[in-house]
Amino acid sequence: AQSVAQPEDQVNVAEGNPLTVKCTYSVSGNPYLFWYVQYPNRGLQFLLKYITGDNLVKGSYGFEAEFNKSQTSFHLKKPSALVSDSALYFCYSGTYKYIFGTGTRLKVLA
Amino acid sequence: GAGVSQSPRYKVAKRGQDVALRCDPISGHVSLFWYQQALGQGPEFLTYFQNEAQLDKSGLPSDRFFAERPEGSVSTLKIQRTQQEDSAVYLCASSFQTSGADEQFFGPGTRLTVL
Repeated sequence: AQSVAQPEDQVNVAEGNPLTVKCTYSVSGNPYLFWYVQYPNRGLQFLLKYITGDNLVKGSYGFEAEFNKSQTSFHLKKPSALVSDSALYFCYSGTYKYIFGTGTRLKVLA
Repeated sequence: GAGVSQSPRYKVAKRGQDVALRCDPISGHVSLFWYQQALGQGPEFLTYFQNEAQLDKSGLPSDRFFAERPEGSVSTLKIQRTQQEDSAVYLCASSFQTSGADEQFFGPGTRLTVL
């Protein structure tokens, strides 16, 4: 069965520090992987995606993600966190089935 | 409009009532998705349209759920004989292309509460 897992319900990081939000996947074939962000009282917004090519993909608001085939991971990263990055982050796979992870709440502390 | 819109934003129904939720996708977007998001959970796929064709309805939880997109634009998700477990936020998303590789644009959702 295909799946997307986000092992951490919440991640806390100090402002200015690097952040990582983890995602692992289990999909057949070439994976189409995405990160979406959900701010309070706002709809889900696209951040970035991996379809093919370079394993490091860059997206909106300074976020990037690294696709690792051997570890079946697609972790979201940012070199320096901002308080305004505090939100709910979802990993998503669009390969054959449309599957969201359970979400990770990111809290950036001033 | 500039984005995906959904109406109503909030809906309260008594158990057993029928409800209809509307989605207006971005103009020209071929693909349209419906998701159900329970409190504290990630969105779960319900159904997918390519233009007016419903290509995947594998996520609809029961035959009380029905979706349509008759002219390949506006879509309606209908829930018959609502139950308390149907309480959730229902999200609509559209994308320009037909591939699962295309990013989706989400509406604000309809919060359904079944009493």
